[in-house]
Amino acid sequence: DAGVIQSPRHEVTEMGQEVTLRCKPISGHNSLFWYRQTMMRGLELLIYFNNNVPIDDSGMPEDRFSAKMPNASFSTLKIQPSEPRDSAVYFCASSLRQSSTDTQYFGPGTRLTVL
Amino acid sequence: GNSVTQMEGPVTLSEEAFLTINCTYTATGYPSLFWYVQYPGEGLQLLLKATKADDKGSNKGFEATYRKETTSFHLEKGSVQVSDSAVYFCALGLNRDDKIIFGKGTRLHILP
Repeated sequence: DAGVIQSPRHEVTEMGQEVTLRCKPISGHNSLFWYRQTMMRGLELLIYFNNNVPIDDSGMPEDRFSAKMPNASFSTLKIQPSEPRDSAVYFCASSLRQSSTDTQYFGPGTRLTVL
Repeated sequence: GNSVTQMEGPVTLSEEAFLTINCTYTATGYPSLFWYVQYPGEGLQLLLKATKADDKGSNKGFEATYRKETTSFHLEKGSVQVSDSAVYFCALGLNRDDKIIFGKGTRLHILP
């Protein structure tokens, strides 16, 4: 079975540009999570969806960040405009929500560099 | 609030040494506890979990026991290998929502 798929794997862009990160969760999973990982701040939960509905976006740093999940098999995280401090590895994870004991399955991540 | 505290790294050991990575938690209610591992260049993957007090999770020679009295979930392995070099994350999950709260991670280096 395919795991969580993220694209692109690497993105280099210039400050002020729009960046779109994409995620395809594991088929049949109904919860999807976006995380950001940096050396300074560690792993941060940005937003998560259940059945395509955003449940908690309190981790989204500011209005420049937005996330959508138009259907059960696709989600995007958009940064507009991007800034150098957004440079990080962004992970998408999915799970089959039955309880909090459910395992989250992580994608390989997108390494974003904003110059 | 709910939180996880784990020992800071990096931890450097020789191959075949005994490993302990300490983890303590603060939570309301009765959380589930996890250890995730991140190998270089990859996403996190579940290593083991325990869902109630006194449960022991185990996988790939790693073990951790859910200790409610000390609010701890320490990770142990009797004989580490070079291939165990990675970052290890302790985490907790609360039954009322989907979120998992991760610790800051402990980087482990195993020398041959």
